[in-house]
Amino acid sequence: GESVGLHLPTLSVQEGDNSIINCAYSNSASDYFIWYKQESGKGPQFIIDIRSNMDKRQGQRVTVLLNKTVKHLSLQIAATQPGDSAVYFCAEKYNNAGNMLTFGGGTRLMVKP
Amino acid sequence: NAGVTQTPKFRVLKTGQSMTLLCAQDMNHEYMYWYRQDPGMGLRLIHYSVGEGTTAKGEVPDGYNVSRLKKQNFLLGLESAAPSQTSVYFCASSPVLAGDFKNIQYFGAGTRLSVL
Repeated sequence: GESVGLHLPTLSVQEGDNSIINCAYSNSASDYFIWYKQESGKGPQFIIDIRSNMDKRQGQRVTVLLNKTVKHLSLQIAATQPGDSAVYFCAEKYNNAGNMLTFGGGTRLMVKP
Repeated sequence: NAGVTQTPKFRVLKTGQSMTLLCAQDMNHEYMYWYRQDPGMGLRLIHYSVGEGTTAKGEVPDGYNVSRLKKQNFLLGLESAAPSQTSVYFCASSPVLAGDFKNIQYFGAGTRLSVL
């Protein structure tokens, strides 16, 4: 079936470096994508989203890139900080699924001081 | 600004016991959701509601029931708990879809449930 998945379950980066977290999706009918950050013991927190008619969107220190040709989504974090250590989830919305989101399995980002 | 509040935060049940998890949101959102999160897996939708008095099944509804008697509250019930229901449960809410297709769901802090 259609699914959202991540290439790397754990990513370790040096403080100050840039981080790139990847996500592959298989449903070409998805029209909206979203990234969440989940810190230990907390609920997921919205980071940034992007519609399928865009290929890039920037926020504060974060950028989401969407490549519809290869069905790939990535989250880039600039100047990674210890506070960025968390699990990151991507999610997609099918264009006929109302408000339903389908979540990927998550990638753990570890920031080394 | 409380957002989405879940109670209780932790609970331990014996097999066969029942319990209700409460979710409350103060953002006047129409949509509410219950998810479960298991180790190494993403969030899986149990049930959801598109408005007061309405509920619908999600991906993994078996063994759970829900009610949305008030717009701000969404209750998740386990009638006869099983060890397979040991998980972390998250509630979320979102506003009605606008023309820009956004669907930002806002999550609570979770309820950690162990069924022995």
